[in-house]
Amino acid sequence: SQKIEQNSEALNIQEGKTATLTCNYTNYSPAYLQWYRQDPGRGPVFLLLIRENEKEKRKERLKVTFDTTLKQSLFHITASQPADSATYLCALFPLTGGGNKLTFGTGTQLKVEL
Amino acid sequence: KAGVTQTPRYLIKTRGQQVTLSCSPISGHRSVSWYQQTPGQGLQFLFEYFSETQRNKGNFPGRFSGRQFSNSRSEMNVSTLELGDSALYLCASRYGTASYEQYFGPGTRLTVT
Repeated sequence: SQKIEQNSEALNIQEGKTATLTCNYTNYSPAYLQWYRQDPGRGPVFLLLIRENEKEKRKERLKVTFDTTLKQSLFHITASQPADSATYLCALFPLTGGGNKLTFGTGTQLKVEL
Repeated sequence: KAGVTQTPRYLIKTRGQQVTLSCSPISGHRSVSWYQQTPGQGLQFLFEYFSETQRNKGNFPGRFSGRQFSNSRSEMNVSTLELGDSALYLCASRYGTASYEQYFGPGTRLTVT
C-alpha cells in the first residue's frame, strides 16, 4: 500500500517569500497526486491535481511538481501571504491496486509571518 | 452550487453508545467517501459509496458502517463507541469514479467520554 510522508515540522516563512513543501511516497504505482489545504476545524479544500505524466502544474501562485523517479512532489506558494497559513496535505490516488482510494499524508503546517 | 454538508457538526457521546452521522454531497455528485481524522493518525479512509454500493473500505473494525441513499446522501454509523473513536469525521464527494478531486464537508466533531 502507499505510504506518504510529509515534513511534520511546521514551516515558518516571511511574507512575500516562496514556501516549498515536500511530499515523498513509497510503493509507487501509477497515480494522480493531489494537494489540499486544511484550516483548523474545517475540511480539506482541493487545490491541485497532477498526473504522473505531467512534470509540473500551475494555478495562480501555486506550483506543483511530480517526480516519479524520486517519488516526490514539491508544492510551491510564491509571494506568500499570511492568509496562506494553513496545513497542506498531499494525497495519492493510485490508478492500479491501492483499492482505488485516496491516501493522505499527515500534512505540513505553514505559517506565513509579516 | 451548495457544498458538501454534514450534520451534526458536533456530538458528544458516551462509551458503548452508537452514533449516526449524515452527509449530503454536492448536487450531481454520486460518490461519497468518509474519512476519520485524528491528530495521531491523520486522515484515514473509512469507505466510499457510489450509486448506493460500497466500493471500497478502509482498515476499520466492523463497528463502522455506512450506507448511501438513492439521492446520494450518505450516513455512517459507529456502534459500541470507544474513547479512541473521538475524531473529526469528514465526508467528501466527487462527481463519479473517473473524477479524482474530492470536495470535503466541514466535518462532524465526535467526542466520546
